[in-house]
Amino acid sequence: LAKTTQPISMDSYEGQEVNITCSHNNIATNDYITWYQQFPSQGPRFIIQGYKTKVTNEVASLFIPADRKSSTLSLPRVSLSDTAVYYCLVGRSGGGNKLTFGTGTQLKVEL
Amino acid sequence: DTEVTQTPKHLVMGMTNKKSLKCEQHMGHRAMYWYKQKAKKPPELMFVYSYEKLSINESVPSRFSPECPNSSLLNLHLHALQPEDSALYLCASSQDLRSGLEAFFGQGTRLTVV
Repeated sequence: LAKTTQPISMDSYEGQEVNITCSHNNIATNDYITWYQQFPSQGPRFIIQGYKTKVTNEVASLFIPADRKSSTLSLPRVSLSDTAVYYCLVGRSGGGNKLTFGTGTQLKVEL
Repeated sequence: DTEVTQTPKHLVMGMTNKKSLKCEQHMGHRAMYWYKQKAKKPPELMFVYSYEKLSINESVPSRFSPECPNSSLLNLHLHALQPEDSALYLCASSQDLRSGLEAFFGQGTRLTVV
C-alpha cells in the first residue's frame, strides 16, 4: 500500500470550507484514494473515493491532480459536528486490499 | 440494512477469562475485518476474512482467535489477554476484497482487561 502523509491536526470555524491534503508520492497506477471520518469511540465511516480529477458527493469533494501524488478532501461549510479524525487511504480496489489506516488528521471546528 | 452490529458494546474481563466478541452484517458482504484501536491511534488491522476463509493475519498473538462461522458472522475469541490488549475492537465488512477500500464499520467493542 502507498504510504500517506497528512497534517496531524487542523482548526476551523463553523461555516468555513476546510481542505485537508494527503500526500501519497508512491501511489500505484491501480490505486484508488479513499477518505474516512471517525468520531470518538465510533467506527470509521466511508466519506468518498476517487481515482483522478474531481469527485463530489453530498458530504464532500475530492480533488486529485493529474500526477495523483496528492489529494485534497474538501468539506464545505463545516459545522461543530464535523469535528472528527479524517483518514486518507490509498490502495488497489482490486485484489487483496488490506485497508490500512495512516495517522489521520484531527479536525476541530469551533463556533 | 447497511449496518455492522457488534456485541457487546463494552466488556471487562480478567486475564484468565475467555470471552468472545461478535460481529454481524446482513449486506451480503463477503469480506470481513477485525481491527484494534488504541486511544488517539489509527485502527490497526488484525484479521481479514474473504468468503469465510482467513485471508490475512497481521501476526496477531494466538490469544486472539478469529472465527467466521458463516458469511454474516465474525467472531473474535479472547483468551489469557493482557492489560495492554485493552482497546476498541472494530469489525468491518466490504462487498469483497476487490472493493476493500469502501468498508462499513461497526461501533466497536470497548474491551478492558483487568
